[in-house]
Amino acid sequence: GAVVSQHPSWVICKSGTSVKIECRSLDFQATTMFWYRQFPKQSLMLMATSNEGSKATYEQGVEKDKFLINHASLTLSTLTVTSAHPEDSSFYICSARGTSGFTQYFGPGTRLTVL
Amino acid sequence: AQKVTQAQTEISVVEKEDVTLDCVYETRDTTYYLFWYKQPPSGELVFLIRRNSFDEQNEISGRYSWNFQKSTSSFNFTITASQVVDSAVYFCALSEKRNSGAGSYQLTFGKGTKLSVIP
Repeated sequence: GAVVSQHPSWVICKSGTSVKIECRSLDFQATTMFWYRQFPKQSLMLMATSNEGSKATYEQGVEKDKFLINHASLTLSTLTVTSAHPEDSSFYICSARGTSGFTQYFGPGTRLTVL
Repeated sequence: AQKVTQAQTEISVVEKEDVTLDCVYETRDTTYYLFWYKQPPSGELVFLIRRNSFDEQNEISGRYSWNFQKSTSSFNFTITASQVVDSAVYFCALSEKRNSGAGSYQLTFGKGTKLSVIP
């Protein structure tokens, strides 16, 4: 149980385009979802947290107009990187937590490369 | 100051050796949760264990064991008879209540320890 999927697993795009990443909890209802960013050989940095049906709460230094987060249902959250630039290239990981516990389960990650 | 410190950046062991990964945390909360996650080269974080602050009982799961000591704010992880498949980056994480925001409890990760098990 507690499976989180992420799509796509990797994406390459041109600078200036927008990219949408989907995160789904497959076998539980995720009341809270988290988006992280991980640079090579570094730890995970929390970008934002969202509750279903509410606006996301962004961490300090994360541009909310650039990283649009939508948590429209209890099983789906999306992260849209708008007008992507090479410096946005990174490994993006989503995480979901259900109503019954404090454990966060992670998706497999999306590797974004912006040319 | 770091809330979660994993002092060992990289460790290499020979297969079948035991290895302990250290984790020291810092919090003022009385209720908090500690986690260990494994990140293999594929990138996906795999949940290994969660420990509540009010439960100091050590735990063993197969070749894995965890030693939680509140007196020293440590939550160490030991792999017995290591195998090549154990090679990964291991993250210790602390979940404590935040004053505001969407997620009351949020994870703070350590910097990770890269474990290489040599055949």
